[in-house]
Amino acid sequence: QVQLQESGPGLVKPSETLSLTCAVSGFSISNGFYWGWMRQPPGKGLEWFGSIDHTGSAYYNPSLRSRVTISVDTSKNQFSLRLSSVTAADTAVYYCAREGEGYWGQGTLVTVSS
Amino acid sequence: QAVVTQEPSLTVSPGGTVTLTCGSSTGAVTSDHYPYWFQQKPGQAPRTLIYDTGIKHSWTPARFSGSLLGGKAALTLSGAQPEDEADYYCLLSYSGPRVFGGGTKLTVL
Repeated sequence: QVQLQESGPGLVKPSETLSLTCAVSGFSISNGFYWGWMRQPPGKGLEWFGSIDHTGSAYYNPSLRSRVTISVDTSKNQFSLRLSSVTAADTAVYYCAREGEGYWGQGTLVTVSS
Repeated sequence: QAVVTQEPSLTVSPGGTVTLTCGSSTGAVTSDHYPYWFQQKPGQAPRTLIYDTGIKHSWTPARFSGSLLGGKAALTLSGAQPEDEADYYCLLSYSGPRVFGGGTKLTVL
């Protein structure tokens, strides 16, 4: 059973960089598929950030591209999200997922506040 | 960036049939968009129901089906149950970037 678990700070100050990691179990990232990050602001819909494969080949949401970096660490079987220059508008539940059949993590709430 | 459109809300009677659609501002949705459908209940993470247009996940109830219909991706629910009341999101791939639809709030009433 493929499982994904997001981790990272639940509170980030404005103008700082949000960093999250998604740990994968039950499947090796090196075996394929794209691995993605999404978010959902409170009471709103889902937004796709970007996806990456085990080689580091990545696609990004054009509207967020200047602030987003997604990376992969196959030795730890995890991938990460960095979002720079955060504001209150970046407050959301952040999800990671594996494409293909579409396995999702449970999500982690990140609040941007001083 | 493409815009993906869904009905904001739909209502279906228990036991009834309803079709949710997912359109693209760039033209007809095809299998090359690899449409996904996700179900999300309050306080829960989204759950994949359908991927690659019409392939069901192992946990997808048989009453859900995915297809292409009239230039859009479609999710049909046949024999709605009270537990199907939820938000439904589609996701399309554009040869790299992916875009979510705004979601459909489905009420079973």
